[in-house]
Amino acid sequence: RKEVEQDPGPFNVPEGATVAFNCTYSNSASQSFFWYRQDCRKEPKLLMSVYSSGNEDGRFTAQLNRASQYISLLIRDSKLSDSATYLCPPPATNKLIFGTGTLLAVQP
Amino acid sequence: NAGVTQTPKFQVLKTGQSMTLQCAQDMNHNSMYWYRQDPGMGLRLIYYSASEGTTDKGEVPNGYNVSRLNKREFSLRLESAAPSQTSVYFCASSGTVGANTGELFFGEGSRLTVL
Repeated sequence: RKEVEQDPGPFNVPEGATVAFNCTYSNSASQSFFWYRQDCRKEPKLLMSVYSSGNEDGRFTAQLNRASQYISLLIRDSKLSDSATYLCPPPATNKLIFGTGTLLAVQP
Repeated sequence: NAGVTQTPKFQVLKTGQSMTLQCAQDMNHNSMYWYRQDPGMGLRLIYYSASEGTTDKGEVPNGYNVSRLNKREFSLRLESAAPSQTSVYFCASSGTVGANTGELFFGEGSRLTVL
């Protein structure tokens, strides 16, 4: 069983929509969580860290629900440039096996 | 500020040839990883190294070998390339091990085609 599970999508949303993804994890010991963004055929890049208190960066909000063992990413006012795959790496392990990632396609 | 550097960026091999992908990081990270990503698929872990001198198998280690030459460098070797190894290979590093994983830094990828 993978340590993280994501809905692979695709999530097809119109520009301006609000969209949310979840990432469930099995290891509850971790203190560090992250969201990454990967554009087609490019390397993943850090989008934002996820803190226990939640954090917001412009149109993006990340939340941690430790009791239910998931993190979430909310994107408001979606832009065409938000189209990408969103990844959450597994926490608290040296063997970083990723989930599928969630594909977002923002439509004009 | 180089971060994670992979070489080569592109390579074409014939079936049966061997080659080594090089990866180096300048962030003094303990952990390093090799992933492959096939078109339309997610990242799959090939091998990882939690610290200098140690390496461990990931999800798809068959057909590959690795060397953690020193703290900076982690190389991936294909001894006898097969068409099924056509993929994009990403190296990554992370600054912490054990109970917490730190932020992952990825190289730009090495695009390998095996004919």
